[in-house]
Amino acid sequence: AQKITQTQPGMFVQEKEAVTLDCTYDTSDQSYGLFWYKQPSSGEMIFLIYQGSYDEQNATEGRYSLNFQKARKSANLVISASQLGDSAMYFCAMREMSFGNEKLTFGTGTRLTIIP
Amino acid sequence: DGGITQSPKYLFRKEGQNVTLSCEQNLNHDAMYWYRQDPGQGLRLIYYSQIVNDFQKGDIAEGYSVSREKKESFPLTVTSAQKNPTAFYLCASSTLTGGNQPQHFGDGTRLSIL
Repeated sequence: AQKITQTQPGMFVQEKEAVTLDCTYDTSDQSYGLFWYKQPSSGEMIFLIYQGSYDEQNATEGRYSLNFQKARKSANLVISASQLGDSAMYFCAMREMSFGNEKLTFGTGTRLTIIP
Repeated sequence: DGGITQSPKYLFRKEGQNVTLSCEQNLNHDAMYWYRQDPGQGLRLIYYSQIVNDFQKGDIAEGYSVSREKKESFPLTVTSAQKNPTAFYLCASSTLTGGNQPQHFGDGTRLSIL
């Protein structure tokens, strides 16, 4: 079974609107972390936001927030007031905190296009 | 400026040839990683290393080899045994001090077959 599922291959959003990118995950660990990365067309991976499994509040970083629903195993990224520069691939990733395990598992990504 | 440097940016491989991708970091990170990305796909882990002179296979290690002789350097060799090497290769590094520390990535190397 896939550990990270991103069901939206592509999304088109009008500039200045908010957008939600979906991510569901599968783990039997109690301790884990969820990350979102942005990949522009140039290829580099840019870290956006982190949510720990024990964090009681949803993470926020500027225009980015994470809608974390632990019981549903979902960690959706919300981008408020979208800008043209937000056009990119977005990846959700999970780190399971088993001892000595520092690996990330990535989803297949969502390509976001912001329309002027 | 602290960061991760990957070179070259573009690389071409002939049939039967081994090629080596360079990855250097000056972030003083203990852990380093190599990922492969195919078009329209997520990242898949090839190898990772948490300490000098030690490394572990990831999910798709066949046809690849690595070394970790220095903390700052984690080169990846794509051997002739890798029959489908055309992909985008990303190197990353991270600390091991806490679960919330993200992996930092280089700008990638695009490998193609001649």
